[in-house]
Amino acid sequence: EVQLVESGGGLVQPGGSLRLSCAASGFTFSSYWMHWVRQAPGKGLVWVSRINSDGSSTSYADSVKGRFTISRDNAKNTLYLQMNSLRAEDTAVYYCARGGAARTPYDYWGQGTLVTVSS
Amino acid sequence: DIVMTQSPDSLAVSLGERATINCKSSQSVLYSSNNKNYLAWYQQKPGQPPKLLIYWASTRESGVPDRFSGSGSGTDFTLTISSLQAEDVAVYYCQQYYSTPLFTFGPGTKVDIK
Repeated sequence: EVQLVESGGGLVQPGGSLRLSCAASGFTFSSYWMHWVRQAPGKGLVWVSRINSDGSSTSYADSVKGRFTISRDNAKNTLYLQMNSLRAEDTAVYYCARGGAARTPYDYWGQGTLVTVSS
Repeated sequence: DIVMTQSPDSLAVSLGERATINCKSSQSVLYSSNNKNYLAWYQQKPGQPPKLLIYWASTRESGVPDRFSGSGSGTDFTLTISSLQAEDVAVYYCQQYYSTPLFTFGPGTKVDIK
């Protein structure tokens, strides 16, 4: 059974940092592109970042470029999102999601982890 | 960036009746080389992550009930729930995966029971 389990969310002050993790199981993690998608409270879904299967290619939404870094450890079957210089508008549930190759939808999602940026 | 819009914002349908949700993209998501529409539909129930329902505009994901169907091509798409069940109460999102890497979502349509 495919499972994606996020962790690392919490309350952080503006300007602070957090590192999210997404532990994958039930599939060959190293074969799949992975994504982070966020959802502010009561709002819609917004793509944040993606990484290809071997970690050699990454992309970011303009709103997080230069502040967030996506990475993966295929030996540990884990996806990461390092979030620096956090702002109030980064407050959201962050989901990791599995994609296939470059142009495929997200067929599995984690349960999400809540990040709250507030003083 | 491709902008996705959905209509209506919300709808209430009686149990057993049809629900129809529309999605429009600001540019075509039909890839001419393979004649595929890079359009997906997701269902999100309260407190849960989104679930993939339909991809390539009309292909149901494994395990999705056949009362869910997708149609359309180019820039205009429709998700139809042929006979609404209580468990279908959710927000439904369309997503284009044509323009990489920014796979934009529509704003969502909330479906309730009348």
